[in-house]
Amino acid sequence: EDQVTQSPEALRLQEGESSSLNCSYTVSGLRGLFWYRQDPGKGPEFLFTLYSAGEEKEKERLKATLTKKESFLHITAPKPEDSATYLCAVDMRFGAGTRLTVKP
Amino acid sequence: NAGVMQNPRHLVRRRGQEARLRCSPMKGHSHVYWYRQLPEEGLKFMVYLQKENIIDESGMPKERFSAEFPKEGPSILRIQQVVRGDSAAYFCASSATGRTEAFFGQGTRLTVV
Repeated sequence: EDQVTQSPEALRLQEGESSSLNCSYTVSGLRGLFWYRQDPGKGPEFLFTLYSAGEEKEKERLKATLTKKESFLHITAPKPEDSATYLCAVDMRFGAGTRLTVKP
Repeated sequence: NAGVMQNPRHLVRRRGQEARLRCSPMKGHSHVYWYRQLPEEGLKFMVYLQKENIIDESGMPKERFSAEFPKEGPSILRIQQVVRGDSAAYFCASSATGRTEAFFGQGTRLTVV
């Protein structure tokens, strides 16, 4: 059965302190890995789609990368407004998410 | 271009009643996905539908839950004889083609009293 595992569960950063979130997956025949951001009380917001190993996508302070077994969401010089839960999904199944808190 | 619309946003039902949750996909989208999210937990896949067809219902509880996406009108998630454990946020998402990036609604928060 396909599985998606995210780590860490929670991450606390100081403003400007760069870090990475991990999403590992086991799936037969990847048809896309998706990253979303979810704010409390709201629906997930689509960020990126990655289809093949070596692919990278960027948006503002976020950069997503993909290997054959995992994806990373790199956050460069985060700001407090980047605080949210970041979710990854494979074949429409989501991991448990990483709850990111950025302190000013 | 309106996004995914879910209604109602909040729904209160007494134990034993029925709950009907509606989801209108984005314009041009014919694929709909339903998820359940308990407080402080992740999104649990329930069902994937295309117009008039259920594609994948592997995440749906075997009893009391059903979903449809008719040719005309919104997708409906129906929960019969609700119990307190059904209290959760229910999200739907839509996509233009199958299993590609999907866009979410703001959810329906169901409270069973």
